[in-house]
Amino acid sequence: DAGVTQSPTHLIKTRGQQVTLRCSPKSGHDTVSWYQQALGQGPQFIFQYYEEEERQRGNFPDRFSGHQFPNYSSELNVNALLLGDSALYLCASRRYGDRGHDQPQHFGDGTRLSIL
Amino acid sequence: AQSVTQPDIHITVSEGASLELRCNYSYGATPYLFWYVQSPGQGLQLLLKYFSGDTLVQGIKGFEAEFKRSQSSFNLRKPSVHWSDAAEYFCAVGGDSSASKIIFGSGTRLSIRP
Repeated sequence: DAGVTQSPTHLIKTRGQQVTLRCSPKSGHDTVSWYQQALGQGPQFIFQYYEEEERQRGNFPDRFSGHQFPNYSSELNVNALLLGDSALYLCASRRYGDRGHDQPQHFGDGTRLSIL
Repeated sequence: AQSVTQPDIHITVSEGASLELRCNYSYGATPYLFWYVQSPGQGLQLLLKYFSGDTLVQGIKGFEAEFKRSQSSFNLRKPSVHWSDAAEYFCAVGGDSSASKIIFGSGTRLSIRP
């Protein structure tokens, strides 16, 4: 049973470019959340997708956008990249109907994004 | 405001010694508490979780944590550390709703002295 998978594992971009990161949730999961983990920091919540809609959003600018597809996979898009966007981007999945204590989020290994 | 504080940025312990990593939280509703471990270049692995019941919870790899509501704390412990325990440890809090996000502390880096 595959867990949460993310691609690519590493990515190098330059300032001003745009990037798309991808996530496939764990089998049976329908809700995907994205987190940004800057070097030396804990992960910070970006947003959550369920039923192809953004359900909740953290304190991130509109340059960060996402999408969820009918097969529950998700993309994170970041426009006009800044040096400060360099981070590990983690995807987490769960089943929407489960209570918090039934199903803690499962995390992927992340995409390491470096901005030059 | 919802937050998690891990006051120790970096801790070094000798192999075989006991370990305690501190965590304090602030959460308006009933908190669901987690400890995650992250090895270099890896994602997050859940060590243990607390939702209700016995305030001492057991996790994987010999870790345990104790929930103290009066102190808003959820400290992680291990009686005897192994060199393979060297990693970054994150305390986190979330809610019961399916839509709940997880709020992480800034982490404690654990180094093991041979």
